[in-house]
Amino acid sequence: QQQVKQSPQSLIVQKGGISIINCAYENTAFDYFPWYQQFPGKGPALLIAIRPDVSEKKEGRFTISFNKSAKQFSLHIMDSQPGDSATYFCAASDGDSSYKLIFGSGTRLLVRP
Amino acid sequence: DAGITQSPRHKVTETGTPVTLRCHQTENHRYMYWYRQDPGHGLRLIHYSYGVKDTDKGEVSDGYSVSRSKTEDFLLTLESATSSQTSVYFCAISRAANTEAFFGQGTRLTVV
Repeated sequence: QQQVKQSPQSLIVQKGGISIINCAYENTAFDYFPWYQQFPGKGPALLIAIRPDVSEKKEGRFTISFNKSAKQFSLHIMDSQPGDSATYFCAASDGDSSYKLIFGSGTRLLVRP
Repeated sequence: DAGITQSPRHKVTETGTPVTLRCHQTENHRYMYWYRQDPGHGLRLIHYSYGVKDTDKGEVSDGYSVSRSKTEDFLLTLESATSSQTSVYFCAISRAANTEAFFGQGTRLTVV
């Protein structure tokens, strides 16, 4: 059972544009929401993460928006660059009971020059 | 790659044969995970460990077993490989629950 639903599956954005990837979760016990970035042939690497006590977190061009009541969170990439072209995964975990990090199905982002 | 080594990096095996993948870490992290990555499914958790000899099942554990006899090593065994287990397998480690997970480079397994 997919506990974290991610959309879209793929995304094409022009250089300088905004990339938006959305995730929705079911388990209200989740309390840690990271985003991972993966380049071809490499393992995923943490990009940015948020906990439910804040509604937004920004690191450089990357922002996570979190809506606890809607059980949704999203990644915004401002001023998208060709070097941002990668696959992005959202994830969620419940550290109190299961330690498991559950991933969404991924979004393949292509930023055109 | 945060001191994580997966071996082998590539393997081709025949249906019905046993296969063991190894994950070795030098970070002394408590938690270790095995994921498989398939197109359209993202990363799915197979098994994880929260300490030596402490393991639990993930989302897709059928056909897989794990062992962790030392902090640094986490082994994934396919008892009798099937074509549906053709995938890229990633090991990950984390210092604690709800903290950054570091991933290895992956093992590409092909079952023919």
